[in-house]
Amino acid sequence: DAKTTQPNSMESNEEEPVHLPCNHSTISGTDYIHWYRQLPSQGPEYVIHGLTSNVNNRMASLAIAEDRKSSTLILHRATLRDAAVYYCILKPGGGADGLTFGKGTHLIIQP
Amino acid sequence: GAVVSQHPSRVICKSGTSVKIECRSLDFQATTMFWYRQFPKQSLMLMATSNEGSKATYEQGVEKDKFLINHASLTLSTLTVTSAHPEDSSFYICSARKATSRYNEQFFGPGTRLTVL
Repeated sequence: DAKTTQPNSMESNEEEPVHLPCNHSTISGTDYIHWYRQLPSQGPEYVIHGLTSNVNNRMASLAIAEDRKSSTLILHRATLRDAAVYYCILKPGGGADGLTFGKGTHLIIQP
Repeated sequence: GAVVSQHPSRVICKSGTSVKIECRSLDFQATTMFWYRQFPKQSLMLMATSNEGSKATYEQGVEKDKFLINHASLTLSTLTVTSAHPEDSSFYICSARKATSRYNEQFFGPGTRLTVL
């Protein structure tokens, strides 16, 4: 799997937007960009995925750079419940392999 | 929805005993399920991939005779930790991939915390 690089931790205030960056300079043309998050003592939760175009869903938005070498997960209005470790993972489309988790970004939300 | 459950959520056992953990996809069929392990303050590590009706595929360094995986139906996979020892104490998490998935998104269970005394 192509490697991703994320900051170890980020801090934000409640009710403000959060932009979580991910660098993936070795991404291949068939790799989808997936984001998962893991709340304390829970299993990971799927957040969003995309290929080339920006994506929105009820949880977040995913902004993908034009050259696809980086992406940003956007939480539009962070709440305390968004405090988690966020993982950016690349996977070829249509594959059925397990996920390779890096260290992710530990997001801290201040009230 | 795409809900995955695990049972039990927490188990404490004595060294040398075996422990079975169940993973169920509640509202979808999962042709493939995955088992991960997470030690404190570390990331998840993939242990094995389980396909319904066939033998599991184990990652390098994971002993298949110690971690027995059975995927007997499209909604159930089990992981049995045989002859557990304190070093097997960990957070075990399963995930399931929908049979209809095009993008390999996975849905995770809540995890099972195993403590071996």
